[in-house]
Amino acid sequence: QVQLQESGPGLVEPSETLSLTCTVSGASVSSNEWGWIRQPPGKGLEWIAYIYHNGRTVYNPSLKSRVSISVDTSKNQFYLKLTSVTAADTAVYFCARQKGMYEYHFDYWGQGTLVPVSS
Amino acid sequence: EIVLTQSPASLSLSPGERATLSCRASESVSFLAWYQQKPGQAPRLLIYDISKRAPGIPGRFSGGGSGTDFTLTISSLEPEDFAVYHCQQRSDWLYSFGPGTRLEIK
Repeated sequence: QVQLQESGPGLVEPSETLSLTCTVSGASVSSNEWGWIRQPPGKGLEWIAYIYHNGRTVYNPSLKSRVSISVDTSKNQFYLKLTSVTAADTAVYFCARQKGMYEYHFDYWGQGTLVPVSS
Repeated sequence: EIVLTQSPASLSLSPGERATLSCRASESVSFLAWYQQKPGQAPRLLIYDISKRAPGIPGRFSGGGSGTDFTLTISSLEPEDFAVYHCQQRSDWLYSFGPGTRLEIK
């Protein structure tokens, strides 16, 4: 059974960097594709980024200047960094699996972690 | 960047009724998925590649459409089907989601 678990800070201050970790079990980060999606409170889903097993990354153009995604195969984890955060970045952040290079959807999701941006 | 719109924004129906949810894309897309989300939970994949049911999804859920217009149909609503439904597309390497349709019990 594939499971994903997000972890990160409970609170981030404005202008700081948001850093999240997704720990994967039941699948290898080196064999699939992995993404981050967020959901501001009471709003819809927004795709942030994904990374292929070969390391290629793709970012949402609206966030591209501030976001990076990476993978650590030794830990079976992948990561999100979002710089210069503002209150508009307050959201539940989900990590998810895209099963394969030609599977254009997310089949397994983490439970999500709420990251408030506030001083 | 392709924009998805969903209609209606909310829908009130009774158990046993048929639900038809719409998703419209600003340009033609070839890959469309639908997700169900309940309060406090992650989205759950229902339909992918327009009409393929994800493993474990009941047969009352079906997807269809082509080009820019797509539908999710729930043939006979069960109490556990009342939730928010999101459509999602991928084109030219980029993903986008629709704003969601809230399906409420009448």
